Amino acid sequence: KQEVTQIPAALSVPEGENLVLNCSFTDSAIYNLQWFRQDPGKGLTSLLLIQSSQREQTSGRLNASLDKSSGRSTLYIAASQPGDSATYLCAVKPGNTPLVFGKGTRLSVIA
Amino acid sequence: DGGITQSPKYLFRKEGQNVTLSCEQNLNHDAMYWYRQDPGQGLRLIYYSQIVNDFQKGDIAEGYSVSREKKESFPLTVTSAQKNPTAFYLCASRRAGQGATEAFFGQGTRLTVV
Repeated sequence: KQEVTQIPAALSVPEGENLVLNCSFTDSAIYNLQWFRQDPGKGLTSLLLIQSSQREQTSGRLNASLDKSSGRSTLYIAASQPGDSATYLCAVKPGNTPLVFGKGTRLSVIA
Repeated sequence: DGGITQSPKYLFRKEGQNVTLSCEQNLNHDAMYWYRQDPGQGLRLIYYSQIVNDFQKGDIAEGYSVSREKKESFPLTVTSAQKNPTAFYLCASRRAGQGATEAFFGQGTRLTVV
């Protein structure tokens, strides 16, 4: 059964720092990997989708990488801002079955 | 605007009562999903549907029921058999197929037992 782990569970950084969030999954047979952001009490907002054949995707200050063979993905956030404070969730799509989620990393960016 | 609408935002249930959470999408997506989110446990799959008039149980389907009579709608009923229903419920949708299609989420319904 596919399992997704996100480390660290929580992270606090000063404004302006570059940071990396980690996601690992146990079964490399995935179709895609998606990173989401969740603000308190809100739904999930899709940030980046990486196809299994891709190595990375970029959107503004965000860059996500995928190493399928080792079962790892990272989300890189450049020049962090207080508005980036949220929970970041990683999810993998293991074939024709629904997304499997990690428990998320709660990020606090301190002004 | 295209998107997923969940209603109500907050819902209160008395012991022994059934309640229904609404999820509507105008994205023309075939697949729809219900997840439950509890503090420290991440998202857990309740039910999903990949086509109208068909749905499958997820990891924690006991005490829940769904219907998929229309492509746009996938309501979730929390029955009295669900002993611990207090949670945040999230609905999602995506285009069908195994390829790289994004999943989109609604804003959630917070259900509380009173």
